[in-house]
Amino acid sequence: DTEVTQTPKHLVMGMTNKKSLKCEQHMGHRAMYWYKQKAKKPPELMFVYSYEKLSINESVPSRFSPECPNSSLLNLHLHALQPEDSALYLCASSQSLALETRKAYEQYFGPGTRLTVT
Amino acid sequence: AQKITQTQPGMFVQEKEAVTLDCTYDTSDPSYGLFWYKQPSSGEMIFLIYQGSYDQQNATEGRYSLNFQKARKSANLVISASQLGDSAMYFCAMREGQAGTALIFGKGTTLSVSS
Repeated sequence: DTEVTQTPKHLVMGMTNKKSLKCEQHMGHRAMYWYKQKAKKPPELMFVYSYEKLSINESVPSRFSPECPNSSLLNLHLHALQPEDSALYLCASSQSLALETRKAYEQYFGPGTRLTVT
Repeated sequence: AQKITQTQPGMFVQEKEAVTLDCTYDTSDPSYGLFWYKQPSSGEMIFLIYQGSYDQQNATEGRYSLNFQKARKSANLVISASQLGDSAMYFCAMREGQAGTALIFGKGTTLSVSS
């Protein structure tokens, strides 16, 4: 089973709203990622969590706040977003940042959340 | 300089034919890995194949194979016997150094398969 799930599939929010995106995996992976993807562009890394600790933050504005409550869940809290934040938000996971094995490198993505900020 | 270059914005192929999607990369790290992902219009990124820099043989996964030419720094994806369901955007990506670092993606190639 290589499934990463994300909810909701679609989200429309106003600039003053607070919302959260959720990501879940049950593959025992200990590294989880948030990517942002604009239309017809490649994904861009936002955050990396390793063993539930934030290990990479790619200079993302503070209106995006990640949270990893346990090894299976990853949240992205959204507050006071701008229309230019409208994009597909992809969650991914991989076995571990610590393992130097072939399988450790494979990142599996969820179906994404299409976010529209009005 | 771009780390991952995909020079073909769009490719067209007929069903049952083979197609090669090009990818070149740039890195000075001796330890790296190359990935190919498929992204249909639904948005999900589907992992296809992985090649490590120290792997002796070219990776294969079913109808997908990776033509890895280390000296040329190229990692082309070959899809044999194309199917209509192969129509999608294809991304080449690279990770440098240890496991878990960010993937760097190319700009993608849109593949259209016709009957």
